[in-house]
Formats: sequence, structure tokens, C-alpha cells
Amino acid sequence: DAGITQSPRHKVTETGTPVTLRCHQTENHRYMYWYRQDPGHGLRLIHYSYGVKDTDKGEVSDGYSVSRSKTEDFLLTLESATSSQTSVYFCAISEQDHSQSTQYFGPGTRLTVL
Amino acid sequence: GESVGLHLPTLSVQEGDNSIINCAYSNSASDYFIWYKQESGKGPQFIIDIRSNMDKRQGQRVTVLLNKTVKHLSLQIAATQPGDSAVYFCAENKGNNDMRFGAGTRLTVKP
Repeated sequence: DAGITQSPRHKVTETGTPVTLRCHQTENHRYMYWYRQDPGHGLRLIHYSYGVKDTDKGEVSDGYSVSRSKTEDFLLTLESATSSQTSVYFCAISEQDHSQSTQYFGPGTRLTVL
Repeated sequence: GESVGLHLPTLSVQEGDNSIINCAYSNSASDYFIWYKQESGKGPQFIIDIRSNMDKRQGQRVTVLLNKTVKHLSLQIAATQPGDSAVYFCAENKGNNDMRFGAGTRLTVKP
């Protein structure tokens, strides 16, 4: 998975609790992304980062926040988890922005919100 | 075939046959397209990409064809093997850093 790890790989939590997912890369790529993947839908972009402390919203950013304090780490936080946020979350990295270069994906985190 | 946003269609082929997976995209101004393979329980894996100034690109056992007139993209896999069984989906760059992904096609290879 191109030097990308995600943690945890599986998590079950309760509605209303905060949750943080971590993405770690060893490729020193500038761009990092968080997606969610749900049945019947393609990957949908939540947030992305184009450098340390530089982030922007994606298609489905409501209820999520991100932080990037180091090149190698990109954190996704669900401020108050809801059942609609049950999904598989993928982190991705790319050297240039994803409209110009390939993204490489991590193994995913399966999140269940009860 | 697949359209970006539709439910998951399926394709079943015999080992050794060629596979063709289709994708219809939405934006005639889209200029970059990618095919990914996703095995069960894993993250998507890049297969091949193509830019809008090309209509064909070949890789190892895979070919991507782009028909801009009808906004259609296809992935051809030669001599399909059991290890090719996976979900395949296309992605298009719609511009302004907006990359959209299809839901995918599930390919099953029968021995």
C-alpha cells in the first residue's frame, strides 16, 4: 500500500462520541486525502491537504475536521459521530494534486457508529 | 457497464478470456481518467491512467480506451486470470481539483 498506514483498522463507537482516525505515510508526498466509501457510491472526498497546516474541504466535509501538523501524518476527526458516518475510510497520498497525478491508497479503516 | 454514481454491476468471465469493463463519464471537459482495482478488504490500487489528449493507452495486459465523443472509457484486460477478480472503478478529473469516482464493476473470473 505504497508506504501508507491507517489506524485503527477497525473501530466501533457510539453515537455522539468523538473519533480520530490517523493516516501515516513514509513517501514524503505533499498531498494527502481522506475519502469515505459506501455501498452504491464511489469514493467521496471528505477533506484533503496540500501541505503542512494547509487543508481544504471536499465533497462531504460536514461533521468532519482534519489536521496536518507534519508531512507524514493526516488526522481525520469526527467531532460527534453519527450513524450516517458508519463507513470505510480511506486515506490517499499523491505527489501532485490528484487532478494531475496518481493517488495511492491506504488499507482503510472500517468505522461502525452504533 | 458502469456510470459514475450508479450501483455496482457485475461481469463474469472465463479464465483466459478477455474482459472489458466500461465507464460513462459526465463532464466533456474532464481531462484525466484513472482506472483502479480494489480487492476485498483492501484499498484501491492504481492500474492505468489516460489523459484527454490520447484515445488509447496500454499497460501490462491492460488497455484503456477513451472515446470523448460519447464520453466513454473502457478497461480491457487480456487473458483474464483468477487474480484479476476484484472491483474495478474509474475516476474522472472534472476540473478545479474535483476528482469523481464511479461505484465500480465487480469482475469475477471463473476457473
